[in-house]
Amino acid sequence: EPEVTQTPSHQVTQMGQEVILRCVPISNHLYFYWYRQILGQKVEFLVSFYNNEISEKSEIFDDQFSVERPDGSNFTLKIRSTKLEDSAMYFCASMTGRTEAFFGQGTRLTVV
Amino acid sequence: SQQGEEDPQALSIQEGENATMNCSYKTSINNLQWYRQNSGRGLVHLILIRSNEREKHSGRLRVTLDTSKKSSSLLITASRAADTASYFCATGKFGNEKLTFGTGTRLTIIP
Repeated sequence: EPEVTQTPSHQVTQMGQEVILRCVPISNHLYFYWYRQILGQKVEFLVSFYNNEISEKSEIFDDQFSVERPDGSNFTLKIRSTKLEDSAMYFCASMTGRTEAFFGQGTRLTVV
Repeated sequence: SQQGEEDPQALSIQEGENATMNCSYKTSINNLQWYRQNSGRGLVHLILIRSNEREKHSGRLRVTLDTSKKSSSLLITASRAADTASYFCATGKFGNEKLTFGTGTRLTIIP
């Protein structure tokens, strides 16, 4: 069964460093998303991406965040200068637009 | 309260019993989805119900949707230890828009 894959599964980074979280969505999907979940809290929407551009972003998705779809398969989330409060589980999701969203297993980001 | 709130926040039942979780939301929706999350892991899609549907079944799962009350329920019948997880409802206003997640219900099945 097709699945969304995310790498790495866990990343530890120094505060102020840049991180890139990677996702490979399901191949025939058209809509791509990043969500995050701070430990013990609800899943929060960060950004949606369609037709090679951001279609919506939340207040959390400030200038420190960016997304790219550099080729036909990868979808990345970059945090330019990480802060302690960026520590969270980051989920990538994709969908066709007519059915449910499929989520990856997540990347646990720890900023120290 | 925020869009998508589940109750109870935590539920413990004996294996074999049925578990019911509720979700309330505030704005109009296109669909409502339920997800399961095992501790520290990814989100697994369980079932999607559209705004023009009232009830849907999938295996041991039964979901209802009452758009007049802006609420949904998830029933897991004949619970198993493997059902222990957090369960989230998530609403979508349009077919491809972002999902807004609820606060989740932590379900514990006691063997």
